[in-house]
Amino acid sequence: QVQLVESGGGVVQPGRSLRLSCAASGFTFSNYGMHWVRQAPGKGLEWVSVVSSAGTVTYAGDSVKGRFTISRDNSKNTLYLQMNSLRAEDTAVYYCAKEGDGSRYSFDLWGQGTLVTVSS
Amino acid sequence: EIVLTQSPATLSLSPGERATLSCRASQSVSSDLAWYQQKPGQAPRLLIYDASNRAPGISARFSGSESGTDFTLTISSLEPEDFAVYYCQQRRNWPPGATFGGGTKVEIK
Repeated sequence: QVQLVESGGGVVQPGRSLRLSCAASGFTFSNYGMHWVRQAPGKGLEWVSVVSSAGTVTYAGDSVKGRFTISRDNSKNTLYLQMNSLRAEDTAVYYCAKEGDGSRYSFDLWGQGTLVTVSS
Repeated sequence: EIVLTQSPATLSLSPGERATLSCRASQSVSSDLAWYQQKPGQAPRLLIYDASNRAPGISARFSGSESGTDFTLTISSLEPEDFAVYYCQQRRNWPPGATFGGGTKVEIK
């Protein structure tokens, strides 16, 4: 079954850390770049970060640069997002997404999302 | 940074009507634009990639087109399950980050 399953969300205090995971199955994980996209409550989609298929190239959006780190373990078919120095504005559902087969500029598979709430 | 502007913010239509959603890019994105559908409590679903190619399993009532930096998603005849929020998205080779439009909500009139 082709799927992505996120885990690791929860309630965390401002300034603390959290690590999200995304387990992939049903496709050759190591062939695809992978992304994190988030959605604050009642808001639109915001791209967060990308890691290349081999894990050698990463890039993050300005709102999380220097605080969030994306990584992957191709031997475990798992994507990660290490989130440090969390802020209230990081509260969102976090989705992992796979680059598309038809075009690597689109996302053809998404996880169900994991909710991160940053609150004291 | 490329900005995607979607219009209208809300579209109120009846089942069976035609829906036309717009996405304007602040600069050229070539044809590297995708459209997604999102229903409440669900993850986004890819509808269209490369501006006009339907993703596998997507109904032929969904079509995409482009004219320069203006992109359009058309739903030829709305079905009850089509009432949702639609996002456009672009990404380039470098920097490899993506940007999304603000979304268009298609609601039942």
